[in-house]
Order: sequence, then C-alpha cells, then structure tokens
Amino acid sequence: DQQVKQNSPSLSVQEGRISILNCDYTNSMFDYFLWYKKYPAEGPTFLISISSIKDKNEDGRFTVFLNKSAKHLSLHIVPSQPGDSAVYFCAASPPITGNQFYFGTGTSLTVIP
Amino acid sequence: EPEVTQTPSHQVTQMGQEVILRCVPISNHLYFYWYRQILGQKVEFLVSFYNNEISEKSEIFDDQFSVERPDGSNFTLKIRSTKLEDSAMYFCASSAPGLAGDEQFFGPGTRLTVL
Repeated sequence: DQQVKQNSPSLSVQEGRISILNCDYTNSMFDYFLWYKKYPAEGPTFLISISSIKDKNEDGRFTVFLNKSAKHLSLHIVPSQPGDSAVYFCAASPPITGNQFYFGTGTSLTVIP
Repeated sequence: EPEVTQTPSHQVTQMGQEVILRCVPISNHLYFYWYRQILGQKVEFLVSFYNNEISEKSEIFDDQFSVERPDGSNFTLKIRSTKLEDSAMYFCASSAPGLAGDEQFFGPGTRLTVL
C-alpha cells in the first residue's frame, strides 16, 4: 500500500544548478508534508515541511511546493552543492497529533562538482 | 542541539533470540516512535507511543514486538523471537507536543542482523 511515492530512485545534477525532487501521494487526508535527508549509516534528518494550507514554503536554498489538487509535492534545491548529495525522503501525515509518518521510497541525489 | 540517541549501533543475533533496542528520545518530547527500513526499501512505521501506552501500531508490529518506557528517559523496542526478515535498520523518533504534524526527530538507527 504505497500511499507516498517517489518515482525517481536517483537524480544527478551539476553543482550550482537546480535539483528538483518529486513526490506524489494518494491519501487526501494527508495535510502535513515533510522532506527528510538521509546520509548512509545515519537517521533521517528533517529538512523542510509544509502544511496543506500553504502551497509553498522556503528555507534558504530549499523550497517545497505543494499542489493539493494533483496530490504532488516537490523539493527544489538551488543552487545545488556537493554536500547535498544524500537520499531524500518525502513523508506525509494526516492531521492527528503524534500520528505516523508515511514515507516514500527515497530519491538518491548526487551533485556533481 | 538535543538529539535522539540509539544503542547499540549494530546488533547481530541468532534467529529465535530476543533483542532489545534502546533509544533515548529528546527530553521534552512526549511522542515516541519506532520505524524500520529494510535494505533498499522505504522507511516503515512500526509503532507510536504516548502517555505510557501505544497510540498506533502497524500490521508489522505483531505479538513478537513490544515497547516500553521503563524509566522516563529510555524507550525500548523488544523483539521476542527474531526472524530472518526482522533484519533491518530500526529508527527511533520523537516529537514535541503541540500542533498536529510536528516534525519527528530521528535517531541514527540500530542495524539489526538476524542470522
């Protein structure tokens, strides 16, 4: 039951260019969305989130866009840096405090110097 | 900066043995979670814990699994009789009280290998 999908298992981008990572979800009850970054042998690290009342949230080089009608969100990283190379997971949650997060399968981003 | 810690970092066990994975959540957090990630697959929810009881669990979290908060700081996951398919990275997470959807902070994980 894949409620959150990341259809691109990997992405390579040149340093300085924009990285765009995509995520789709199926459950219309989801109202909170997050991106986590994960390095090998480490736990996921929170990157940025967005509530369903917004369609964009920006934090420095990272911007998350939410298209509720399409049940789609994306993470833009600009400019991309070699240190951004990691696996990025999209996660979603319904509006219940302390509820589980549903994760996508991840996209491995490689930023080429 | 406060962080979630987990011990051990790697646990190797024989099939059928019991294992206990330990976590120390961030001190002012009230919601605690266990997730796992089988190699090459997505992060999957196991269980959430609030106010000293399980608040939600997935179908993966069967009778072989249990959680406990024995002393107000540790949060443990016990697998009573491990199976080969329990081999995975197990992540503990915690979140603060407040509005729905607070981000969950993850620990570094325990790699469980069942032989």
